[in-house]
Amino acid sequence: GAVVSQHPSRVICKSGTSVKIECRSLDFQATTMFWYRQFPKQSLMLMATSNEGSKATYEQGVEKDKFLINHASLTLSTLTVTSAHPEDSSFYICSARAGGGWTEAFFGQGTRLTVV
Amino acid sequence: AQKITQTQPGMFVQEKEAVTLDCTYDTSDPSYGLFWYKQPSSGEMIFLIYQGSYDQQNATEGRYSLNFQKARKSANLVISASQLGDSAMYFCAMRVETSYDKVIFGPGTSLSVIP
Repeated sequence: GAVVSQHPSRVICKSGTSVKIECRSLDFQATTMFWYRQFPKQSLMLMATSNEGSKATYEQGVEKDKFLINHASLTLSTLTVTSAHPEDSSFYICSARAGGGWTEAFFGQGTRLTVV
Repeated sequence: AQKITQTQPGMFVQEKEAVTLDCTYDTSDPSYGLFWYKQPSSGEMIFLIYQGSYDQQNATEGRYSLNFQKARKSANLVISASQLGDSAMYFCAMRVETSYDKVIFGPGTSLSVIP
C-alpha cells in the first residue's frame, strides 16, 4: 500500500507555544488529506479535511484559528496547534487519499502531543 | 448525518476461534464505502478490509471477511482462526462520497485473544 509519513511521532511542548505536525505522502500525490484527533480509549474524531491549494474544511466544533491546516503541495499537509494548552494533549493522526476511485485511506503513524 | 455504531466495547475470543465484530451505519448517501481498521497499542491504523455500497459480494481478505447486509445497514467483521496478535482496537469506518470522501469512524471494539 501507499506510505504516509507523519512527523514528529511524539512532541512535548510548553503551554502557550505552537506545534507543527507534518503529514507527507511518500509515494503518491494526495489531493485530499484528513486530520483526526484521538483521546485515550476513544475513537478517531475527524477535525478537518484538507484539499491541496484550498482552505481546509473544518468539522463542527473545531476551532480553525486554533488548529491551522496548510496543504500547500500534493505531498504535504501540516497541522499547527497554536497557543497549545494541556487540554490539547492528544493523539493526532492524518490520512491521505490519492484521488478519485480510491478505496482505503492511508494513515500516518500518528503524533502524540503532550502540552505541559 | 452519517453515523457508525459499534455496540461491543470489548470482546474476548479464544485463540484459533472465529469472532464477529458488529458494525451498523447510517447514511442517506447512496454511494459509500465501509472499512475496518485495526489499531494496536502502538497507535498506527492498519487497513483490513473494504466494502463498497454497490459491491454485490461480501469482501474477503485472508482471515478477514465482511458480512455486508445493506438492507440492515450492517457491516460486521468476521475474523477466522484468531491469533494472539489480533488483540487490538478495531474500528468500523465509512467513506461518504458527497463529503470530499471523508472517513468517519465508529467508537471501536477492543478485542482480546485468549491463549
